[in-house]
Amino acid sequence: AQTVTQSQPEMSVQEAETVTLSCTYDTSENNYYLFWYKQPPSRQMILVIRQEAYKQQNATENRFSVNFQKAAKSFSLKISDSQLGDTAMYFCAFTFGANSKLTFGKGITLSVRP
Amino acid sequence: SQTIHQWPATLVQPVGSPLSLECTVEGTSNPNLYWYRQAAGRGLQLLFYSVGIGQISSEVPQNLSASRPQDRQFILSSKKLLLSDSGFYLCAWSVLADKNIQYFGAGTRLSVL
Repeated sequence: AQTVTQSQPEMSVQEAETVTLSCTYDTSENNYYLFWYKQPPSRQMILVIRQEAYKQQNATENRFSVNFQKAAKSFSLKISDSQLGDTAMYFCAFTFGANSKLTFGKGITLSVRP
Repeated sequence: SQTIHQWPATLVQPVGSPLSLECTVEGTSNPNLYWYRQAAGRGLQLLFYSVGIGQISSEVPQNLSASRPQDRQFILSSKKLLLSDSGFYLCAWSVLADKNIQYFGAGTRLSVL
């Protein structure tokens, strides 16, 4: 069975600074996908970034980037130049196979301070 | 472009009443469809998923059921709601061609009183 662990329940960062959210996972699969989703107070789940396990290059989307360490089964999210709108819960998620069922971590609440 | 509609946005129901939440997807064919539940301040729990019309897989034994009467329609139901059914319900869709990304609806906040 696949598991996703987000051990930090809450983090806080000053506006314009950089913050890193941690995620580890466990799987015996070799080909899989990892995601970070953002859930703002509206509770709409929004995809932030995706990483394919077969790609060694870390994914980047504007201010968001990941540090994917396949051997260590680690998948952290770095948010640069934090903005007030980044305040949200962030979920790390894992999937593999054709039915693409997602396994989510428990999430981390990120607060960006003005 | 693809869109997903989920309704109602908010629902307050008495214990023992029936439930029907609906989710429809536009702009894509033969999507995988999913129902998740999120308890307050917690992660998402997959309840049901469907890879085609009439094909439903249940992940968690419970008081709920799901149906997929049309390709892009997914319904979550209950005959008699329990207090423990309260939560935030999210519908999602994905297609293989989009590398397993799941796109979520806006969710339904269900309160069972």
